[in-house]
Amino acid sequence: KQEVTQIPAALSVPEGENLVLNCSFTDSAIYNLQWFRQDPGKGLTSLLLIQSSQREQTSGRLNASLDKSSGRSTLYIAASQPGDSATYLCAVRFLSGGYQKVTFGTGTKLQVIP
Amino acid sequence: DTEVTQTPKHLVMGMTNKKSLKCEQHMGHRAMYWYKQKAKKPPELMFVYSYEKLSINESVPSRFSPECPNSSLLNLHLHALQPEDSALYLCASSQLGGVGETQYFGPGTRLLVL
Repeated sequence: KQEVTQIPAALSVPEGENLVLNCSFTDSAIYNLQWFRQDPGKGLTSLLLIQSSQREQTSGRLNASLDKSSGRSTLYIAASQPGDSATYLCAVRFLSGGYQKVTFGTGTKLQVIP
Repeated sequence: DTEVTQTPKHLVMGMTNKKSLKCEQHMGHRAMYWYKQKAKKPPELMFVYSYEKLSINESVPSRFSPECPNSSLLNLHLHALQPEDSALYLCASSQLGGVGETQYFGPGTRLLVL
């Protein structure tokens, strides 16, 4: 069974700080890992998608890395801004019993203080 | 247009009611998904449709009945729900349903069952 854990569960940082969010998964046989942000009561916004053959992806101030062998991914946010405040979720996609599955992590709630 | 729309935004229903949630996308995607998200929990996959055919049912109770009338539209019919079914219901789509694809999420329908 694939279990996805995110640490820390909550994080509060001052504006301008660089920060790292962590995502761990128990089964390394994944197809890809996707990072999302979710604002309170809203849907999910896709941030970055890393295929299993890739090591990292970058978009603006965001950089996501993937180490499949150790079951870890990190999301690096540079020069954080109050608008980055949200819950960040990672999701892994894998095959189980011949069917594709998606398991989300437990989430990290980020607060960036002006 | 990278938008997935969901209606209604909010829904309150009694345990004897029948209601439907609607999801629409015009990106030409051939895979559509329903997720359920309880408060402070990550989303959980319910159903996957690929080319208008149900490809995954994650052991969801029969009081939830999905329908995909065409490639742009996905419905979730609700009947005889329980209060514990109260949650945010998220719809997503991806290009072909392959494991390497980005999923695009709608804003969700917040459901309250009384």
